[in-house]
Amino acid sequence: GESVGLHLPTLSVQEGDNSIINCAYSNSASDYFIWYKQESGKGPQFIIDIRSNMDKRQGQRVTVLLNKTVKHLSLQIAATQPGDSAVYFCAGQDSGGGADGLTFGKGTHLIIQP
Amino acid sequence: NAGVTQTPKFQVLKTGQSMTLQCAQDMNHNSMYWYRQDPGMGLRLIYYSASEGTTDKGEVPNGYNVSRLNKREFSLRLESAAPSQTSVYFCASSVVGYEQYFGPGTRLTVT
Repeated sequence: GESVGLHLPTLSVQEGDNSIINCAYSNSASDYFIWYKQESGKGPQFIIDIRSNMDKRQGQRVTVLLNKTVKHLSLQIAATQPGDSAVYFCAGQDSGGGADGLTFGKGTHLIIQP
Repeated sequence: NAGVTQTPKFQVLKTGQSMTLQCAQDMNHNSMYWYRQDPGMGLRLIYYSASEGTTDKGEVPNGYNVSRLNKREFSLRLESAAPSQTSVYFCASSVVGYEQYFGPGTRLTVT
């Protein structure tokens, strides 16, 4: 199986700055990646996803970058707001088209400084 | 449209007791999943169901059983609870190959 992990357990940024959260994965067969946001006491909430045939995908204030050569992906949040404070997880899924579950990293706690 | 719902929200059990966690989704998804989340950890897959009538083990299935009652409902049963099963349990559903939608979780404490 694969392991998915994050580089830092906590990231502190100033309100209005851009945030970058990193994630590394080990399984070359992984072809689908998702970023989730989890607020305290709630379930994970989908932010953005990317498939292995893409290098970059943009959403509203968020961008995911995928570097398959070094098995690394990142989540960029533009103009960070207090409501962005949460734990962010990357998750990956193996190729094969089946309904296998996701493999999650341990999460990065994003703290917004006023 | 409620998405994924889970009951109960909180539960305290004594060692050896049994219980069933309920999950339902109204998004017409074929696939459903049960995860557990321990402090400081990501989610780990317990069991999943690719479609009605099928179930498969995930990363940490020991001590659990599941039932895919119909397309909407997927339950998780602890036959004899142990303190190591103290955790937050999340149910999720998806279309195969697409993002999973999560419920609000069940916080279980086993004493």
